[in-house]
Amino acid sequence: DSGVTQTPKHLITATGQRVTLRCSPRSGDLSVYWYQQSLDQGLQFLIQYYNGEERAKGNILERFSAQQFPDLHSELNLSSLELGDSALYFCASSVVGTSYEQYFGPGTRLTVT
Amino acid sequence: AQSVTQLGSHVSVSEGALVLLRCNYSSSVPPYLFWYVQYPNQGLQLLLKYTTGATLVKGINGFEAEFKKSETSFHLTKPSAHMSDAAEYFCAVSAPQYNAGNMLTFGGGTRLMVKP
Repeated sequence: DSGVTQTPKHLITATGQRVTLRCSPRSGDLSVYWYQQSLDQGLQFLIQYYNGEERAKGNILERFSAQQFPDLHSELNLSSLELGDSALYFCASSVVGTSYEQYFGPGTRLTVT
Repeated sequence: AQSVTQLGSHVSVSEGALVLLRCNYSSSVPPYLFWYVQYPNQGLQLLLKYTTGATLVKGINGFEAEFKKSETSFHLTKPSAHMSDAAEYFCAVSAPQYNAGNMLTFGGGTRLMVKP
């Protein structure tokens, strides 16, 4: 158990819908990262937040957005869903500035039908 | 910018044999390097990391990796494979910068199969 929690574990929804994925980092970790894992794209970095502020952006679609709240949990919002958004979405957390390894949650499997 | 190449999307070894998973990286700044393992239907678990210092790093479950700057490689090895090692392995690179992101860039992964 990494200490990073993600909910829900599975999500099935229809095209055009909007969903929210939730992540709670390890206790003490200020930085949260979101990654997408799909068969065709592999593991791709989406976005990073540090202590409530956006720190870095990767290959994140404009239909996707994220935020980190004062209690440090983070949410990833996916809207106008397409079939191609079906993937495993991981959240990771780390203590930036001391150790650089990231600890991953169990993931949320999103299926868009 | 960073990139990672993992040679061999599938590697098969016999139980008790040497495991060698290859990783080559590209980075414009001194890299931090990681190996993660993913078991079916689970998240990624950190096996080991190289940041600075000793170039041979030891990780969990008997795995180790050696950072070779001249070869831009960070291959993962284990002297004797166990059935429980069957999983997908990912090499990753990051280039942490103060007050900036330290996202991981992953290779395509190598699925390790262990034959009895």
